[in-house]
Amino acid sequence: AQTVTQSQPEMSVQEAETVTLSCTYDTSESDYYLFWYKQPPSRQMILVIRQEAYKQQNATENRFSVNFQKAAKSFSLKISDSQLGDAAMYFCAYNAGGTSYGKLTFGQGTILTVHP
Amino acid sequence: DAMVIQNPRYQVTQFGKPVTLSCSQTLNHNVMYWYQQKSSQAPKLLFHYYDKDFNNEADTPDNFQSRRPNTSFCFLDIRSPGLGDAAMYLCATSGGTGAGNYGYTFGSGTRLTVV
Repeated sequence: AQTVTQSQPEMSVQEAETVTLSCTYDTSESDYYLFWYKQPPSRQMILVIRQEAYKQQNATENRFSVNFQKAAKSFSLKISDSQLGDAAMYFCAYNAGGTSYGKLTFGQGTILTVHP
Repeated sequence: DAMVIQNPRYQVTQFGKPVTLSCSQTLNHNVMYWYQQKSSQAPKLLFHYYDKDFNNEADTPDNFQSRRPNTSFCFLDIRSPGLGDAAMYLCATSGGTGAGNYGYTFGSGTRLTVV
C-alpha cells in the first residue's frame, strides 16, 4: 500500500522569507501524481500544486515550487516570499493514477505558522 | 462559480441518532468522494462514487453509508453515530480517472459533533 509521510508536524517562517515543507512517499508504481493541498483553519482545502511523476521538470505555481526527487521518493514544497495568508495546514498527497479513480492518500500534515 | 457545496456546515447529533450530511456539485464531475478528518489528522477516504458505481474502502465501518441519486448530489448517512464519529466530513469531486487527474475540488466540510 502507498504511504505518504510528512516528518514535520509544525514549521514556522518569517513573513517574506522562504520555507520548505518535506514529504516522502512509498510506492511501487512508476506513474503517479503528487499534490500539495493547503487547509486554512476552518476553511476549505485547496490545491496548491500538482506534479506528474513522468515529468522530470519540477512544478511551479507563482511563489510555490516543488523539488521532486523520484528516485528518493521525495516531494518537498518551497514557499518563497511567505505571506501571512500562507498560514495553514499543508498536506502532501499521492494518487496512483491508472484506474484508481483519483483516490488520494494524504500525509499527516504540517502546520505552517507565518510570523509578521 | 462552479463549486462543491456541503450542508450543513455544522451538525450536532445525538448518540445513536441517524444523521445525513449532504454534498452537491455544479462541476459535473463524475467522481465524488467522502473523507473523514479527525482533529489535526490526515483525511481518510470512506468511499467514493464513480458515476453510479459505489466503491467502499475496506476499513470503512458498516455504520457509514452513502447515496448518489444523480450526478450533482451525494449523501453520507451515519446510521448510529458514536462519540468516535465526531469529525470533519469532507466531500470532494474529481473530473477524471488517474490519467486525467487534476486533483480534487473540496467542499468546505461539515463538522459533526455527537452528544
